[in-house]
Amino acid sequence: EAGVTQFPSHSVIEKGQTVTLRCDPISGHDNLYWYRRVMGKEIKFLLHFVKESKQDESGMPNNRFLAERTGGTYSTLKVQPAELEDSGVYFCASSRWTGNTEAFFGQGTRLTVV
Amino acid sequence: KQEVTQIPAALSVPEGENLVLNCSFTDSAIYNLQWFRQDPGKGLTSLLLIQSSQREQTSGRLNASLDKSSGRSTLYIAASQPGDSATYLCAVRPEGSSGSARQLTFGSGTQLTVLP
Repeated sequence: EAGVTQFPSHSVIEKGQTVTLRCDPISGHDNLYWYRRVMGKEIKFLLHFVKESKQDESGMPNNRFLAERTGGTYSTLKVQPAELEDSGVYFCASSRWTGNTEAFFGQGTRLTVV
Repeated sequence: KQEVTQIPAALSVPEGENLVLNCSFTDSAIYNLQWFRQDPGKGLTSLLLIQSSQREQTSGRLNASLDKSSGRSTLYIAASQPGDSATYLCAVRPEGSSGSARQLTFGSGTQLTVLP
């Protein structure tokens, strides 16, 4: 069984540009989460999908961030326009059932905004 | 607001030693607790998941305990090896059925180095 896959693994963009991160969850996992770790901080929750529906986006920092999960399969996280403080590692995770199962994480996308 | 603390922030031990990593959380109303391992530049690997009704879980040389009422968990690593060197993270999922009940709250991690 393939794990959670994230693309790209690294991205370096200039301030003001747009970047789109992609996450492919484990097949059959309805729950998909985005988290991020900025320099020196803990990993923080961004948002949660159940299938194609956003269940909780309370962690999204501002409206420059847009997440989608078309068809309830893969998800994208777009940052537009990117700011310096958006630099960090963005993790995607998936789980089969809400609440009571393990969350499996991807390898993360390291985003650097210069 | 749930806060998760991991002590120590860094730990260096000689190979073969048994060690304990600590995790504490401020709100005991948790659904489960998960321990992860992160290698440099890599993603998070799930090590153990403990449900709130459980006291411990074991996998190989790893044993995780949970004392929900006191807000504590420990990860015990037996006979440590250089390959165990990594950052160990604990994360808790709160009780409840609302949307916020499904997210994990992470500690800042313990960076473990096992010296050969």
